[in-house]
Amino acid sequence: EIVMTQSPATLSVSPGERATLSCRASQSVSANLAWYHQKPGQAPRLLIYGASTRATGIPARFSGSGSGTEFTLTISSLQSEDFAVYYCQQYNNWPITFGQGTRLEIK
Amino acid sequence: EVQLVESGGGLVQPGGSLRLSCAASGFTFSSYEMNWVRQAPGKGLEWVSYISSTSSTIYYADSVKGRFTISRDNAKNSLYLQMNSLRAEDTAVYYCARPILTGYLHFDYWGQGTLVTVSS
Repeated sequence: EIVMTQSPATLSVSPGERATLSCRASQSVSANLAWYHQKPGQAPRLLIYGASTRATGIPARFSGSGSGTEFTLTISSLQSEDFAVYYCQQYNNWPITFGQGTRLEIK
Repeated sequence: EVQLVESGGGLVQPGGSLRLSCAASGFTFSSYEMNWVRQAPGKGLEWVSYISSTSSTIYYADSVKGRFTISRDNAKNSLYLQMNSLRAEDTAVYYCARPILTGYLHFDYWGQGTLVTVSS
């Protein structure tokens, strides 16, 4: 099983600033990586797939990069609605696995 | 509009059984692979099971293998998860999830979830 490790566990950032979240895979997942965010009481929402492709309706301030084992999600200018928990997911190998999440909180 | 609506959750004793359903609408259900993903209270996401569009291919997480059974009825636009021998650690919100496009394994559409609580 591929283990996905996200860092940091919690990130405190002020609105308008940039946030950088990391995700590391225990073995290569090529570019088969997705990012989601989840707000309390809601289902996750797909942000990025294929490591760098924004899902439908996702603003351009969200960008993804990386391949192999190291991935990054960058939010260029944080808006109030961006404060949530973020998860990465690999779908290169079975079983599909998620990272443990990064909580993005308002500083 | 794509809609996924889960039902069937509730309180069950350890060792008991429960059957979850996911009613799909707004898309050609028979063309898409489907998945169950769960989230224990206050915890992260855990993929549970996958079923191909024709039910010919099925996968399970090791944590549920041998206890859970995924199935679908394309005529009824419905996905199911039969959960047997339930344990306290199966307590979670269970989501059904659909990929962005057939053949993909990232999830663009999620239901609202149904809560399963395993407790005596």
